[in-house]
Amino acid sequence: GDSVTQMEGPVTLSEEAFLTINCTYTATGYPSLFWYVQYPGEGLQLLLKATKADDKGSNKGFEATYRKETTSFHLEKGSVQVSDSAVYFCAAGAGSYQLTFGKGTKLSVIP
Amino acid sequence: SQTIHQWPATLVQPVGSPLSLECTVEGTSNPNLYWYRQAAGRGLQLLFYSVGIGQISSEVPQNLSASRPQDRQFILSSKKLLLSDSGFYLCAWRAQGIMKYEQYFGPGTRLTVT
Repeated sequence: GDSVTQMEGPVTLSEEAFLTINCTYTATGYPSLFWYVQYPGEGLQLLLKATKADDKGSNKGFEATYRKETTSFHLEKGSVQVSDSAVYFCAAGAGSYQLTFGKGTKLSVIP
Repeated sequence: SQTIHQWPATLVQPVGSPLSLECTVEGTSNPNLYWYRQAAGRGLQLLFYSVGIGQISSEVPQNLSASRPQDRQFILSSKKLLLSDSGFYLCAWRAQGIMKYEQYFGPGTRLTVT
């Protein structure tokens, strides 16, 4: 079946540092790819998405590029802020009613 | 625009008591609906999903059940809670249609079973 693997963390960065959270997937077919963010005590929010190879999703300074050759969708941000502290989930969807989620990566940004 | 509501926001229940969590969606018709659970510090576990009224698919056999009495209403129930039922319960919806995979989540219900 489909699977999504992401670095489990936790990841601790200083404010204004560069962020990368790795995500790779295995899926039958051609999945759509997503990053979700979950702030403490809240539900998940869709952060960005990409639906085909070489698409770049972006939102709030975060970016991720759909790399079909490496089956990856790494999340990046050039300069993180304390307010970016959250758990980030990578997800893939293809041909079924369900999304396949990674286990989540907890990011803590310290001033 | 679409909105998803969950209630209650928090709940503390004794072991062996019943449970009813409700989720409603506004601004869309015939959505796919989902119940997830997050145990403390862990990822998402899909419990149930529904593609239409009265249609429920269970992903994890346990003492929970789900019902969809109306198009935009999804209910999670239990007759007798276990300690292991504690967690953060999330409802989500997805639009019907080809290539529409993204799900949108509600604010969640924090359940503590004592």
